[in-house]
Amino acid sequence: AQSVTQLGSHVSVSEGALVLLRCNYSSSVPPYLFWYVQYPNQGLQLLLKYTSAATLVKGINGFEAEFKKSETSFHLTKPSAHMSDAAEYFCAVSVDTGRRALTFGSGTRLQVQP
Amino acid sequence: DGGITQSPKYLFRKEGQNVTLSCEQNLNHDAMYWYRQDPGQGLRLIYYSQIVNDFQKGDIAEGYSVSREKKESFPLTVTSAQKNPTAFYLCASSIILGSGQGEQYFGPGTRLTVT
Repeated sequence: AQSVTQLGSHVSVSEGALVLLRCNYSSSVPPYLFWYVQYPNQGLQLLLKYTSAATLVKGINGFEAEFKKSETSFHLTKPSAHMSDAAEYFCAVSVDTGRRALTFGSGTRLQVQP
Repeated sequence: DGGITQSPKYLFRKEGQNVTLSCEQNLNHDAMYWYRQDPGQGLRLIYYSQIVNDFQKGDIAEGYSVSREKKESFPLTVTSAQKNPTAFYLCASSIILGSGQGEQYFGPGTRLTVT
């Protein structure tokens, strides 16, 4: 079975600082990995996904993530935080099985200080 | 505009009552999902369906039921057997690719409060 661990339930950065949100996965087969963002009382929006085409994946709003198989990690980064980035971020994993459902991490709430 | 709609946005019920949450999609997706979200626990899968008239239990199906009579619709019933029904419920849909790489698209959610 696959699983996802997000280190840090809350992360606080200053506006303009680097954003780094950590995600480690566990899977016995090659995974597909996703990052989603959720604003208060809304659904989830896809930021980016890794599907084995390239290890460095660029997403929307200036975010990117790098798949590192040796570290079983898929950390999300953004060079310069903006106030509008304040939200909750979820990492999710899917594997090529009949279930085809995502397994989510517990989420990281990003706070951006002015 | 294509998307997923969930209604209502907020729902209040008395303990012991069944309640049905609506989920409709016009994306022509084959697969639909229901998740429950609680603070600090991420999203947990309740039920999913990959084809009309068929659905499978997720990780926390006890106390819930679903139906999939139409491709566009996947309603969730929270029964009185669900011990802690107060939560934020999210519906999602996706295309079915040959592998697990199809991303899911989410509706805006329904916040259910049971007192």
